[in-house]
Parts: sequence; C-alpha cells; structure tokens
Amino acid sequence: GIQVEQSPPDLILQEGANSTLRCNFSDSVNNLQWFHQNPWGQLINLFYIPSGTKQNGRLSATTVATERYSLLYISSSQTTDSGVYFCAVEKDFGNEKLTFGTGTRLTIIP
Amino acid sequence: GAVVSQHPSRVICKSGTSVKIECRSLDFQATTMFWYRQFPKKSLMLMATSNEGSKATYEQGVEKDKFLINHASLTLSTLTVTSAHPEDSSFYICSAKGTQTYEQYFGPGTRLTVT
Repeated sequence: GIQVEQSPPDLILQEGANSTLRCNFSDSVNNLQWFHQNPWGQLINLFYIPSGTKQNGRLSATTVATERYSLLYISSSQTTDSGVYFCAVEKDFGNEKLTFGTGTRLTIIP
Repeated sequence: GAVVSQHPSRVICKSGTSVKIECRSLDFQATTMFWYRQFPKKSLMLMATSNEGSKATYEQGVEKDKFLINHASLTLSTLTVTSAHPEDSSFYICSAKGTQTYEQYFGPGTRLTVT
C-alpha cells in the first residue's frame, strides 16, 4: 500500500516562531488533507489540497503532486497550535479511504 | 457546517461485555462513514468503511465478528465491540463524508477502556 511519511516527528518552538511540516507519499494520490489533532483527540480539518497552494490565516499549505509531497506552513505560532499534525491521502479515485501519515507533534512554548 | 458527533466520549467496561459507539453526522447526509482506531502516540488506522444500507468493508486484519458496524441511515453509524478484552482498549474515531464534499470530517473520538 501507499506509504505516507511526515517530518519532523517532533518539533518544539517558542511562541511567535514559524514552522514548516512536510508530508511525503510514495504514490500518486487523488486527495490530500491536513488535520490538526488537538490535545483532546479531536481532528480538525485544515486543508483539502490535492495540488496547488492554499492559505487560511496563519496557515498555508502547498502540494506538489508530481513530486509527491505536501508542506504545511504555520506562521507566528501560538500555544493553541500545539498538538499533532497529520496529513492523509486518498490513493484511488472513488475508493475514499484515507491513509494517514506518521504525524508531527508540535509543542509551542510560551 | 460538517459536524460529526460521537457518543459516548469515554467508556469503561468489564472484559467479556459488549460496547456500542454511535457516530452521527449532524448537519449533512453521510453516504460513507469510516471507523478508525488510534493507539497512544500513534497514527490513525482505518478499521472499516461503511455505506448506508450495505455491509461494511473491513480492512485486512480487522475481525468483522468482533467489530460490528451498522450504517442504518444517512446520519448514523454504530460500532459495537463484542466480547471486549483489555487489548481492545483504544481510542476509536469515526469520520463521515457526504455527497457534496471530497473531505472527510471527524468525530471527537471515544476512549474505550476494558478492565
């Protein structure tokens, strides 16, 4: 099956810092989503981004489908950004199954 | 929009008993719902996919007789863990996908502890 690797696995930053999270996948995909899992376990949809670039406030994401990677940028980090960030991909059109990446645990220190 | 609820949020049960977890899409019709399992500090693993009115499709290695899934309506899917054992203790998360979106939306999860 498709492999989805995220880096770095852990990231500790001061409040106000910027960060880049990476998601590499081993095969072509039809769908890619980024999620933030908060400390209570809830997954929050950040982006649906199978290709191109999107921005939402302090967050932006870019997917280069031909090179099989996606990047999530977080600017001016806040303590509420802490948690685990997952990318997830859907390989086969119509299959709808998401394969989750390994995750990046982000800790923002005040 | 696109809110998914789960109930209960936390459950403790004795070994050998069965536990039912409900997943509801509150403001959209979910033609497809998914059930995931997450171990501490690990990623989400898909257990099964269910479509309204049809049998669930289970991932390899998931026991369908142990994890019973019912998707009786376009807004409700249930996961029943039968004859639960301590190794079934985990965080169970559902997601739902409607006809008007390419995205999956996730419930808040259910933490199951089997004693």
